[in-house]
Amino acid sequence: QLQLQESGPGLVKPSETLSLTCTVSGGSISGSTYFWDWIRQPPGKGLEWIGHIYYSGTTFYTPSLKSRVSISVDTSKNQFSLKLNSVTAADTAVYYCARHLDKSSLIDYWGQGALVTVSS
Amino acid sequence: QSALTQPRSVSGSPGQSVTISCTGTSSDVGAYNYVSWYQQYPGKAPKVMVYDVSKRPSGVPDRFSGSKSGNTASLTISGLQAEDEADYYCCSFAGSYTLWVFGGGTKLTVL
Repeated sequence: QLQLQESGPGLVKPSETLSLTCTVSGGSISGSTYFWDWIRQPPGKGLEWIGHIYYSGTTFYTPSLKSRVSISVDTSKNQFSLKLNSVTAADTAVYYCARHLDKSSLIDYWGQGALVTVSS
Repeated sequence: QSALTQPRSVSGSPGQSVTISCTGTSSDVGAYNYVSWYQQYPGKAPKVMVYDVSKRPSGVPDRFSGSKSGNTASLTISGLQAEDEADYYCCSFAGSYTLWVFGGGTKLTVL
């Protein structure tokens, strides 16, 4: 059974960089069938797709965050990571990593989510 | 404001059917057959219920069905059960620049 687990600091100061890692177990992050997504959800609000990465390192980002976000992959560790710089309180959210089938709208496996609070 | 428009809430009695709409544009929902629906309980990660407009992953009851007409996608839940009470989100491909957009979510209450 595939499992995804987010890890990283739960508190980040304004203007600093938010960094999260997603560790994939029970399956390989390599392979041509899937993208690996980051999605976030501010408290009490809806879901927002941030971006995703292919095992080869090809990335796609949502336009509204493109200038501040970076997603990378480490296939040797079966992990992918999110960096969001110049954070503000508006970036406070639960951050989910997930698996996304290529050429499909299927996001079939999700991590449990990691709450990141931006506050001084 | 979310890219896709969903009703904030819907409700129904056990055994009834409810339909949740997801309205987009000719650049997202109307342009591609890449719409998915997610169920989310409080404090939990979303779970996919329907993908690619009308496909159901294994393990999802056939009470859940998806469809699309023009720029609006719909999720229908028939034979409502108490356990269906949750938040539901739609998601659509929106082209090679925007990629993926979500709806604002709908709270389903089972009366």
